[in-house]
Amino acid sequence: DQQVKQNSPSLSVQEGRISILNCDYTNSMFDYFLWYKKYPAEGPTFLISISSIKDKNEDGRFTVFLNKSAKHLSLHIVPSQPGDSAVYFCAATADTGNQFYFGTGTSLTVIP
Amino acid sequence: EADIYQTPRYLVIGTGKKITLECSQTMGHDKMYWYQQDPGMELHLIHYSYGVNSTEKGDLSSESTVSRIRTEHFPLTLESARPSHTSQYLCASSLGGGGYTFGSGTRLTVV
Repeated sequence: DQQVKQNSPSLSVQEGRISILNCDYTNSMFDYFLWYKKYPAEGPTFLISISSIKDKNEDGRFTVFLNKSAKHLSLHIVPSQPGDSAVYFCAATADTGNQFYFGTGTSLTVIP
Repeated sequence: EADIYQTPRYLVIGTGKKITLECSQTMGHDKMYWYQQDPGMELHLIHYSYGVNSTEKGDLSSESTVSRIRTEHFPLTLESARPSHTSQYLCASSLGGGGYTFGSGTRLTVV
């Protein structure tokens, strides 16, 4: 049973606009969440994280929001740039730094 | 500049062959992981290690085996490759208390 779900396999956004990528989870014990970005033929690279004690974390153009009651997190990219085109994975853990559970990814295309 | 290295990047091999996918990291991380990913699917944990001589199976059943004789090295072996093993294999490491650093992956095709 999939514990982390990304229900949108793909998303297209115009350059300069906001990209919003969503992620839902089922395990209420998850307390640490990450977003990874993956280009073709490369491994995922860490993008941004959030702990369950916070509901928002910002890093430049990237902001992650966490809604614990809804078991939902989202990644906002603003403004979106063509170089942001990649697959974005959401990951969660109940045991920080140990086993993470990954979603299926959302392929973001930013159109110039 | 990668601190975790996977070789080979791509491998096409015949059914029944034995293969070893290499993973090495230079960061001194105790924890290392192998994930398997099929296109459009989530990453599935198949093996992990929390230190030398420590290995565990992950959530996804796998016919592969791993070893951890040195901190920096975590190879994955398939004794007899089958077409169902065709997938991307990603190695990762962590210190704990944060996220993973991933290698570039090995795309395996068994024909």
